[in-house]
Order: sequence, then C-alpha cells, then structure tokens
Amino acid sequence: QSALTQPPSASGSPGQSVTISCTGTSSDVGGYKYVSWYQQQPGKAPKLMLYEVTKRPSGVPDRFSGSKSGNTASLTVSGLQAEDEADYYCSSYAGSNNFVLFGGGTKLTVL
Amino acid sequence: QVHLQESGPGLVKPSETLSLTCTVSGDSVSSASYYWSWIRQPPGKGLEWIGCIYYTGSTNYNPSLKSRVTISIDTSKNQFSLRLSVTAADTAVYYCARGAKAMGVWGQGTTVTVSS
Repeated sequence: QSALTQPPSASGSPGQSVTISCTGTSSDVGGYKYVSWYQQQPGKAPKLMLYEVTKRPSGVPDRFSGSKSGNTASLTVSGLQAEDEADYYCSSYAGSNNFVLFGGGTKLTVL
Repeated sequence: QVHLQESGPGLVKPSETLSLTCTVSGDSVSSASYYWSWIRQPPGKGLEWIGCIYYTGSTNYNPSLKSRVTISIDTSKNQFSLRLSVTAADTAVYYCARGAKAMGVWGQGTTVTVSS
C-alpha cells in the first residue's frame, strides 16, 4: 500500500492561512473518517493536532482545522505564527489489512 | 499524565533481531480503550507505521514489514514490545505511541543504528 500523498513544502507569512492536502484512495482517506494530522518540530516526537478529520485534542489552538472531500483531506492553519513552522504528517486508517498509512510529510515554513 | 518510554539497544548488527520495549505510566496497556503502536522514522525521512497491539494480544502489522515483525504485550509490567529482524535499511528513530487510528501520546523516541 502506497503512502498518502502530501506536498513536500508549504509556506505563508505570519497572520496568513495555509492549507496542506493529503490525498489517498477510497480504501483509506475516502473510505473512513479516521484521518489524523501530526505536527513534528525538529528533533521532537510528533504531536497529534487533529483526529477524525476535524476534531482537536485538548490544548490544540482552534487556528488548526481539518476537512475532507472525497479521497483528499486537508489541514488549514489560520493566523500563521512562527511557532507553527514544522513538519506536518497526515495519517489514515486503511482497513483491516493495512490499518494505518502515513503521508510523506509537508514542511511548513513561516516566511 | 500518560507517559511512554522506549528502551533497548542503540546498535544492532545486520541479520540480528532488534528488541525494543515501551513502558507505559499513567495508563494501563490492559485498557480496552486503546491500541498501542510502534512507528519509525529513518534519518531525514517521514514516518512509517510498523504495527499495533490490543490488550487482547491481537496485532496488526504494516504489510511491508509483516514477515519480519512481532509485537507483544506484557500486562503485568504495563509494557509492550517490538521485535524486528534487521538490515541496514532499518536504521531509524523508533517511537511507541498510544492509539492507532489516532496516536495521541508518543514516547520521546529511541535511535537504533543497524551496522556491523
């Protein structure tokens, strides 16, 4: 099973909004509500930012939002801040055989 | 507060078996609420899900690694473990995490180098 497809990079200026896409198939992203997004700062473990497409864990700012259309999920970061600069990974449940897939990651740069 | 800590050797020889343990505090691996996962990240690359285990001992593995991987659980020690027969391509930071469909708590990660 191939990894989910993310753009390698994205960027925006402070205060702007940026959207990162995550494309899969009907067997993973398109078939289930279990899409998650993770933020990884350099040298740190990933941190869960969104789960079940749109839900935020406690403590995650509401500047982070998610959506899904067909086989593509998206993460939107509004009101960009310098601290948002990091790598972002999507993941999706992919059924009982593959279970969990990750995207290749997107490096978000705050200009 | 839930805390996960990976432990194991930092250097493993090719064709040998890597063994890592994840010790959980602040929660129980016997909980029916969560799967417990292993994930890895080769140097400079992205995340790869290795597999997960449920408190019943039921496991799910990444099909690309399935023939080389075993994940087990020890409820008496509140730990779960990873065993992987390795090649140089398995050099990576290995993380354990709570959950699978959504991994909400992660260990700090442990670096494993495969080299003779």
